[in-house]
Amino acid sequence: EDQVTQSPEALRLQEGESSSLNCSYTVSGLRGLFWYRQDPGKGPEFLFTLYSAGEEKEKERLKATLTKKESFLHITAPKPEDSATYLCAVKDRDDKIIFGKGTRLHILP
Amino acid sequence: DSGVTQTPKHLITATGQRVTLRCSPRSGDLSVYWYQQSLDQGLQFLIQYYNGEERAKGNILERFSAQQFPDLHSELNLSSLELGDSALYFCASSETRGNTIYFGEGSWLTVV
Repeated sequence: EDQVTQSPEALRLQEGESSSLNCSYTVSGLRGLFWYRQDPGKGPEFLFTLYSAGEEKEKERLKATLTKKESFLHITAPKPEDSATYLCAVKDRDDKIIFGKGTRLHILP
Repeated sequence: DSGVTQTPKHLITATGQRVTLRCSPRSGDLSVYWYQQSLDQGLQFLIQYYNGEERAKGNILERFSAQQFPDLHSELNLSSLELGDSALYFCASSETRGNTIYFGEGSWLTVV
């Protein structure tokens, strides 16, 4: 059965303190790995799609990387406005998209 | 704004009742996905439609059903509602079966 596990569940950082969020997965025939940002009471906002091991994508202070078993979302010098829940998801060979439970990130000013 | 529109934004109803949630996908998107999000379960995949046909099914209860119409909008019907059905229901759409999905702002359902 497809599974997505994100760690840590919650993370508190000081402004400017870089860190990484982890997403490990088991999936039948990976068709894509996705990262989303979700603010409370809002719909998830698309960040990145990764398709193959070794691929990297960057956007402002965020960088996503992918290996055969996991993905990392690196946050460099975060600001308070980066506080949100970050969701990881995988698409399997049947086109189902399965989400992890997310990492709640809180950046302290 | 993702371009995915969901109505209603908020809904309060009693146990045993039936409700319909509506979703208009982004212009040109053929696939529609429905998800349920509750505090302890995260985003749970319910069902996917592609160009009017059911494409994939997740943990959707028998009391729930969905359909996608010829104009590509979709409806999620929830019946015999229970307190535990209170959640945020999200619709998402994508251009083809394999690409990134974009979410609407969700419909808050409260069952009392």
